[in-house]
Amino acid sequence: DAGVIQSPRHEVTEMGQEVTLRCKPISGHDYLFWYRQTMMRGLELLIYFNNNVPIDDSGMPEDRFSAKMPNASFSTLKIQPSEPRDSAVYFCASCPSGRGGSGELFFGEGSRLTVL
Amino acid sequence: AQSVTQLGSHVSVSEGALVLLRCNYSSSVPPYLFWYVQYPNQGLQLLLKYTSAATLVKGINGFEAEFKKSETSFHLTKPSAHMSDAAEYFCAVTGNNNDMRFGAGTRLTVKP
Repeated sequence: DAGVIQSPRHEVTEMGQEVTLRCKPISGHDYLFWYRQTMMRGLELLIYFNNNVPIDDSGMPEDRFSAKMPNASFSTLKIQPSEPRDSAVYFCASCPSGRGGSGELFFGEGSRLTVL
Repeated sequence: AQSVTQLGSHVSVSEGALVLLRCNYSSSVPPYLFWYVQYPNQGLQLLLKYTSAATLVKGINGFEAEFKKSETSFHLTKPSAHMSDAAEYFCAVTGNNNDMRFGAGTRLTVKP
């Protein structure tokens, strides 16, 4: 089975530009998570979905960030406008349902974003 | 709300020595606890998990962790470190939902 697929793997953009990160979760997984990883803050949970519905977006840093999940097999994380402090690795992860599902989150390989 | 605290951002051991990575948790409900490993330029992989069954949990690559409620701890150990164990290790917790919260991570260095 294919794992969680993220694109792009690397993105370099200039401040003020719109950035869209994409994620395809594992088929059959009801939960999808977006995390951001930086040296300063570690792994931060930005938002997560259950059955395509956003459950908790309290980790989204500000209004410049938005996430959607139009269907069970696709999610996007958008930053508009981007700023240098948004530079980070963004991970998407999915897991099946049930309390903790198996408890195991399956991570994509991440999207490394650099905002100049 | 739940959270974990990892004590020590960097741990260095010699090859063959005991590995001990510390994690303490806080949770208002019985927690599920996890250890993940991250190799450079990769996502996280599950090492092991505690889901209220046996308190001593064995994972992959010879790692194990013991859930101690009285100490609110879930420390990760391995009797003998191998060079390939060098990586970043994350402790994580979930409550009643699936929102997994990670610790700050501990970078393990293994010296020859």
